[in-house]
Amino acid sequence: GIQVEQSPPDLILQEGANSTLRCNFSDSVNNLQWFHQNPWGQLINLFYIPSGTKQNGRLSATTVATERYSLLYISSSQTTDSGVYFCAVPPSNDYKLSFGAGTTVTVRA
Amino acid sequence: NAGVTQTPKFQVLKTGQSMTLQCAQDMNHNSMYWYRQDPGMGLRLIYYSASEGTTDKGEVPNGYNVSRLNKREFSLRLESAAPSQTSVYFCASSPQGMGEQYFGPGTRLTVT
Repeated sequence: GIQVEQSPPDLILQEGANSTLRCNFSDSVNNLQWFHQNPWGQLINLFYIPSGTKQNGRLSATTVATERYSLLYISSSQTTDSGVYFCAVPPSNDYKLSFGAGTTVTVRA
Repeated sequence: NAGVTQTPKFQVLKTGQSMTLQCAQDMNHNSMYWYRQDPGMGLRLIYYSASEGTTDKGEVPNGYNVSRLNKREFSLRLESAAPSQTSVYFCASSPQGMGEQYFGPGTRLTVT
């Protein structure tokens, strides 16, 4: 099956800092989703981004499907950004999401 | 519009007991999914239903059964719970295959 690798595994930020999370995948995909799992366990949809760049407030994401990676940018981080960030992809001609292991982000005040 | 709802939120079972996890969505989505999340890991697909009346196995189906009761509801059954099934279970739905998936709040299950 498709392999999804996220880096770094852990990230500690001071409030106000910027950061970049990376997601590499091993095969062609039809779409890609980024999720934030907050400390209460809720999975929140951040981006549905098969290709190109999208922005939502302080977060933005870029997917380069031809090179099999996606980046999630967090700018001016806040303590509420803490949690685990997952990327998930389906293989081509499929729609069952395969998840990466996640990046755990801790933002300190 | 509640999105995806799951019941119960928490459950403790003894080994060998059975139970059914319920999931419902009010977004008129065609496809529904069950995932499990173990500590320090991403989610893994147990079963999915591409459309009403169809179900298929995912990555980790052993020990589980599912029923797509109607377009709104998709249940997951553990016939004889085992400690290895201690996990957090998430239900999700999408408008159609290859569409964006939306997740419920999860059920935290402990099997002793």
